[in-house]
Amino acid sequence: SQQGEEDPQALSIQEGENATMNCSYKTSINNLQWYRQNSGRGLVHLILIRSNEREKHSGRLRVTLDTSKKSSSLLITASRAADTASYFCATVSGGTSYGKLTFGQGTILTVHP
Amino acid sequence: EAGVTQSPTHLIKTRGQQVTLRCSPISGHTSVYWYQQALGLGLQFLLWYDEGEERNRGNFPPRFSGRQFPNYSSELNVNALELEDSALYLCASSLGLAVGRDEQFFGPGTRLTVL
Repeated sequence: SQQGEEDPQALSIQEGENATMNCSYKTSINNLQWYRQNSGRGLVHLILIRSNEREKHSGRLRVTLDTSKKSSSLLITASRAADTASYFCATVSGGTSYGKLTFGQGTILTVHP
Repeated sequence: EAGVTQSPTHLIKTRGQQVTLRCSPISGHTSVYWYQQALGLGLQFLLWYDEGEERNRGNFPPRFSGRQFPNYSSELNVNALELEDSALYLCASSLGLAVGRDEQFFGPGTRLTVL
């Protein structure tokens, strides 16, 4: 079953613009991770944010986490055509769910040159 | 440093056959995870191995099984293949329970087609 829902399902922007993707989840989490997938290939790990963190940055990426709303956002600034990919959020919870990533459905990002 | 490797890249099987997929984790990683990405179903967790032990299992039938070897590489076995097993099978590795590091790093996947 999918933990989260991602919004929007698809996003089309011009190179240089910012892209924001949102992720909502249902249960309490230990951490939330964002991944990128190019054309049905392997997933590339982008960033991990723990449940006690509110914001993290990595290069052109900014991730926020609001545990009270059970939501996260991924901002890609100054997008490039090479950022075109599917982006997934994935959560890690405790208890019987420990260790496994539960993925959202993903956002398909298209960046036009 | 080499990433997670998987073999084979592509595989075509017929219904009822058995298949074995292989995964080598990043050096130093002791945890290996398997996920299935089927069309329309998204990414689903299959299995997690750490230090040779199965630590967690997703909602898949028993014909999906696996193991982890002393060198931390892993195999995923699928018996009695069904058409709906057609999917991209992704392996990931992490530093494991002992270290408490949760970032999972994925391999390129094995594309399985069942005819």
